[in-house]
Amino acid sequence: EVQLVQSGAEVKKPGESLKISCKGSGYSFTSYWIGWVRQMPGKGLEWMGIIYPGDSDTRYSPSFQGQVTISADKSISTAYLQWSSLKASDTAMYYCARAPGPTGGFDYWGQGTLVTVSS
Amino acid sequence: QSALTQPASVSGSPGQSITISCTGTSSDVGGYNYVSWYQQHPGKAPKLMIYEVSNRPSGVSNRFSGSKSGNTASLTISGLQAEDEADYYCSSYTSSSTLEVFGGGTKLTVL
Repeated sequence: EVQLVQSGAEVKKPGESLKISCKGSGYSFTSYWIGWVRQMPGKGLEWMGIIYPGDSDTRYSPSFQGQVTISADKSISTAYLQWSSLKASDTAMYYCARAPGPTGGFDYWGQGTLVTVSS
Repeated sequence: QSALTQPASVSGSPGQSITISCTGTSSDVGGYNYVSWYQQHPGKAPKLMIYEVSNRPSGVSNRFSGSKSGNTASLTISGLQAEDEADYYCSSYTSSSTLEVFGGGTKLTVL
């Protein structure tokens, strides 16, 4: 069974750093892309970026380029999304999701990680 | 403003059919057959319902179907059931640097 299990909810202060994770199982982790999607409170889905764990090829939406870093450790089948300096506007639910290619949609999703940034 | 335009809400009675539209441009929906549709119930992760315009993943009811004409893709749900009440999002590959864009989402109410 394909599963993407994300790390737990986080509460941080503005300016702090954060790295959240997404562990894949039940499939060949290096053969599929892993993307990240933001959903701000009460809002729609936003495509942030995507990584191919097989060779770490990474693409970002221009809206998120330079704001976050996407990485993966294929030895432990885990992808990451990290911030170096959080802002209150980063408060959102973040989903990881699996994709057969860099485009064409996501077939399996993680349960989401709620990030709250507040002073 | 989302790159793809969806109606904010649609509604229908049990047993009826509804269609949700997703309008883009020739740089995304109209130019490629990489349109997906997702269902999201409150507090839950999205679920893939349709990929590559009209293909259903294994396990998705055949009451859900997708199509495309020009720059507009559509999701049709036939035989509406109470459990179909959810938010629905379209997405498409785009030739812009974004790679993939979502629609703003449509809230489906089953009356």
